[in-house]
Amino acid sequence: GAGVSQSPSNKVTEKGKDVELRCDPISGHTALYWYRQRLGQGLEFLIYFQGNSAPDKSGLPSDRFSAERTGESVSTLTIQRTQQEDSAVYLCASSLEPTSGAVRQYFGPGTRLTVT
Amino acid sequence: AQSVTQLDSHVSVSEGTPVLLRCNYSSSYSPSLFWYVQHPNKGLQLLLKYTSAATLVKGINGFEAEFKKSETSFHLTKPSAHMSDAAEYFCVVSDPAGRRALTFGSGTRLQVQP
Repeated sequence: GAGVSQSPSNKVTEKGKDVELRCDPISGHTALYWYRQRLGQGLEFLIYFQGNSAPDKSGLPSDRFSAERTGESVSTLTIQRTQQEDSAVYLCASSLEPTSGAVRQYFGPGTRLTVT
Repeated sequence: AQSVTQLDSHVSVSEGTPVLLRCNYSSSYSPSLFWYVQHPNKGLQLLLKYTSAATLVKGINGFEAEFKKSETSFHLTKPSAHMSDAAEYFCVVSDPAGRRALTFGSGTRLQVQP
């Protein structure tokens, strides 16, 4: 079956521009996560959606970052007024409802964002 | 709060020799622990996970990890390295009492020499 998909796979943008990244989770997965992976580093949690609950935005690094999710489907991560330090791979993951911490998250291939 | 420390940023082994990737964790609760692998230009793949059922966990591709609560460790091992094992490996902790998001270690790059 189809896994998590993300688009675009690569995005190059100029400093100060806004960008929008898209994630299509696995059908039926109620939980959706966004992570950021800077070069040579592990993943940083950004935001978490679970069903109709208010999203957990505690990982967003600044108010330039925002994300939306339509129901239990597509999510978009928006970065406004991009800065060079925003350059990273942005990964989306989805899972079944996480009744415990052991529920597996399925990762998409990521979007590589380069801010020039 | 929870955290993960991967003790080696790079590990180099010869093909056919054992692999040991070290991971220590910190968690306020009984954690769930994972190892993920990331091959170049590919997405993250789950290798194995620990959920308190058994301390020795077997994963895919011959990898296994042992949970040692007394040492707060979850080291990843494989008896014999293969060239295709060359990748970035991440030790990950999930706090059941927290927000369900994963906390990743900084990664260990495994090189396998012929």
